[in-house]
Amino acid sequence: GQQVMQIPQYQHVQEGEDFTTYCNSSTTLSNIQWYKQRPGGHPVFLIQLVKSGEVKKQKRLTFQFGEAKKNSSLHITATQTTDVGTYFCAGRDNYGQNFVFGPGTRLSVLP
Amino acid sequence: DTGVSQDPRHKITKRGQNVTFRCDPISEHNRLYWYRQTLGQGPEFLTYFQNEAQLEKSRLLSDRFSAERPKGSFSTLEIQRTEQGDSAMYLCASSFVGTNEKLFFGSGTQLSVL
Repeated sequence: GQQVMQIPQYQHVQEGEDFTTYCNSSTTLSNIQWYKQRPGGHPVFLIQLVKSGEVKKQKRLTFQFGEAKKNSSLHITATQTTDVGTYFCAGRDNYGQNFVFGPGTRLSVLP
Repeated sequence: DTGVSQDPRHKITKRGQNVTFRCDPISEHNRLYWYRQTLGQGPEFLTYFQNEAQLEKSRLLSDRFSAERPKGSFSTLEIQRTEQGDSAMYLCASSFVGTNEKLFFGSGTQLSVL
């Protein structure tokens, strides 16, 4: 079945540094979504990417979907303490309707 | 928009007991998903409904697990003969099917099996 992996598992950065997390799927995806889960909270939708090579920006966050539609990345510029949390990618392939989540990257930002 | 509600927030039970969780989705949403999440892991898909029809169920899901969504509104997830390995956060999410479908999660039910 479809598998989604993410690296790194953990990332500790100093406030103001940049952060990137990478997501890879074992199968070609019809779309990919990113969610953020704050400590003690539930996942909250950030964005969806659909097109091959698509790049979307939300303020300091940049999301990219790979040309082969099997990988994606999330880049945060100049991290802030409010960015703390776990970032999950979730992919939907061309056969299923459910979203398969990666294991997440847990971001810690030191002030 | 009152969001997705889950009840109870916490459930402690003894091994072998049955438990039932409830999820009330956002009212206009026609899809409802159940996920399970353990510490340090991503949400693991269990099953989903479109309206009242259960359209997909994880192959990893034991037959001790059953879910219903009568009348296409709220949903219940029942676990029979609980095991310690069932201890996890059970998350419900709802959505409106379409090209821009996105999941709205509830706060979850934390299950502890002693």
